[in-house]
Amino acid sequence: KAGVTQTPRYLIKTRGQQVTLSCSPISGHRSVSWYQQTPGQGLQFLFEYFSETQRNKGNFPGRFSGRQFSNSRSEMNVSTLELGDSALYLCASSLGTGWDTEAFFGQGTRLTVV
Amino acid sequence: AQSVTQLGSHVSVSEGALVLLRCNYSSSVPPYLFWYVQYPNQGLQLLLKYTTGATLVKGINGFEAEFKKSETSFHLTKPSAHMSDAAEYFCAVGGSNYKLTFGKGTLLTVNP
Repeated sequence: KAGVTQTPRYLIKTRGQQVTLSCSPISGHRSVSWYQQTPGQGLQFLFEYFSETQRNKGNFPGRFSGRQFSNSRSEMNVSTLELGDSALYLCASSLGTGWDTEAFFGQGTRLTVV
Repeated sequence: AQSVTQLGSHVSVSEGALVLLRCNYSSSVPPYLFWYVQYPNQGLQLLLKYTTGATLVKGINGFEAEFKKSETSFHLTKPSAHMSDAAEYFCAVGGSNYKLTFGKGTLLTVNP
């Protein structure tokens, strides 16, 4: 079956702009999580959605937001981009019914802010 | 609160040698523990997971890990390293709050 699809794979934006990243989960998965990966901070949790509801949010400023659609696809948005937002953004999908279910990660979107 | 500490940001082994990547966790609830591998410019792939039951967990590519509650550890091992094992490895803990908390990662280098 198809894996987790993240688009676009690479993105270059200018400071102050906004950006939207997309994640299509594995068919049948209702949970989508987002993580930011940087060399300095490692992998940090952004938020998790299940059936269009945000169940948890990480410690990021309000410039970072997300949503999930009825087909479980998810988007995250970053407004007023800063240089420090340059990172690999990873999306993970799972059944979302418990921690004994595996989270499958996409290949990520590499965002560069200049 | 949950946290993960991976001892050693970089581990170098010779091909055919034992691989040992260390992970210690802190969790206020019974933990679910995971090891993921990441190849350059790729996402994360699950190697193995511990949820409940047997404390010795076998994963893909010949890796295994042992959950030791008394030591709060979940170290990853492989008896014989292969060149294709060179990658970054992440230990993670999950709980009831719908998120994974990752360690900083260990870069494994395999020398011929």
